[in-house]
Amino acid sequence: LAKTTQPISMDSYEGQEVNITCSHNNIATNDYITWYQQFPSQGPRFIIQGYKTKVTNEVASLFIPADRKSSTLSLPRVSLSDTAVYYCLVGGLRASGTYKYIFGTGTRLKVLA
Amino acid sequence: GAGVSQSPSNKVTEKGKDVELRCDPISGHTALYWYRQRLGQGLEFLIYFQGNSAPDKSGLPSDRFSAERTGESVSTLTIQRTQQEDSAVYLCASRISAGGHFSFVSTQYFGPGTRLTVL
Repeated sequence: LAKTTQPISMDSYEGQEVNITCSHNNIATNDYITWYQQFPSQGPRFIIQGYKTKVTNEVASLFIPADRKSSTLSLPRVSLSDTAVYYCLVGGLRASGTYKYIFGTGTRLKVLA
Repeated sequence: GAGVSQSPSNKVTEKGKDVELRCDPISGHTALYWYRQRLGQGLEFLIYFQGNSAPDKSGLPSDRFSAERTGESVSTLTIQRTQQEDSAVYLCASRISAGGHFSFVSTQYFGPGTRLTVL
């Protein structure tokens, strides 16, 4: 199962675009990449999921290169309320028919005024 | 309720005691997941249920950990003979089903967690 690593922390200013990268060198063929946002004392909340290339939704974009060994979450024009911990999640269906997931180490994003 | 609920919200216990953590998933969600989050660390996947069955229990940290689910609803995570390293927030999540792509609708909805402190 893929081991996922992320930068521990990042600082940004309001209105800037923020890119957070997750490394998953041993990602399996069936694995998808999902990103979550977590505020203190709350459970993680879904942001976006992708398998390859680029995915965009109303809150973020996800860039996945052809080798899928990394992924980059892009948050456009961040605001103070985007201050949170961001996790990538890698996993999917195994040949055994079961699902396996592993969360990244998390990136603490601090947005400054 | 509208969301995933967990009880208790906080649990302080003494080393060696058994604890039971409860998760009430969103009604109709057939998949249920348990995670552990140690202080300052990421989430560790423990086990998932599809219906009342747990296809793979290898993520449980030791044989002191067990989980069950009944009626495709409530799940209980039991930790026997607790150790100080078991101290963590235990998060439960539910999902419409285990398969398929994740989306804003078909995602894991997390509960608020149970903070377990083993003295």
